[in-house]
Amino acid sequence: NAGVTQTPKFQVLKTGQSMTLQCAQDMNHEYMSWYRQDPGMGLRLIHYSVGAGITDQGEVPNGYNVSRSTTEDFPLRLLSAAPSQTSVYFCASSYGTGSEQYFGPGTRLTVT
Amino acid sequence: GQNIDQPTEMTATEGAIVQINCTYQTSGFNGLFWYQQHAGEAPTFLSYNVLDGLEEKGRFSSFLSLSKGYSYLLLKELQMKDSASYLCAFYNQGGKLIFGQGTELSVKP
Repeated sequence: NAGVTQTPKFQVLKTGQSMTLQCAQDMNHEYMSWYRQDPGMGLRLIHYSVGAGITDQGEVPNGYNVSRSTTEDFPLRLLSAAPSQTSVYFCASSYGTGSEQYFGPGTRLTVT
Repeated sequence: GQNIDQPTEMTATEGAIVQINCTYQTSGFNGLFWYQQHAGEAPTFLSYNVLDGLEEKGRFSSFLSLSKGYSYLLLKELQMKDSASYLCAFYNQGGKLIFGQGTELSVKP
């Protein structure tokens, strides 16, 4: 049981480049979410999904897209990277709303 | 709107007791969580309260007052390994898990 996995662990992008952060879970969780964490800002919700085919915006969705075609996978796409998107990104999953969330190890992204 | 507030940092001595407070405001509420996060690592779950009262789990306890919009995390018999950031979070009525900015706890010998 791998839990929540994220790839890559580290990434450097140039302004304007696009990329996809991968997230997968093997716990059959319905609820998945993406957070970014910046110094002094805590964890801020980007997008979340309550099940395959269903996604919704969080607190800071601009500049990011998500899709949920399977229960297991929840990729996060940066369409045109900006320096303001330099952050640590965490993916999390849970059985549902109101349940404990399990976090992946994080992706440290730098945009120059 | 919704808001969640906790102190930015705290310092305590090894072997002592420390209480980390969290206040929240939300139009809907579906439970309050505490997570621990060591530097460079992912958050890990500590406790969950959905009703008024105290939940005890070993050296850690968490308290919730629904009427006051207030929670605290109590850490007893502090150890050096308890130095970490402690995050409180609540699920709002829309199903989003909203986090506070975290309290950085430093445990000194």
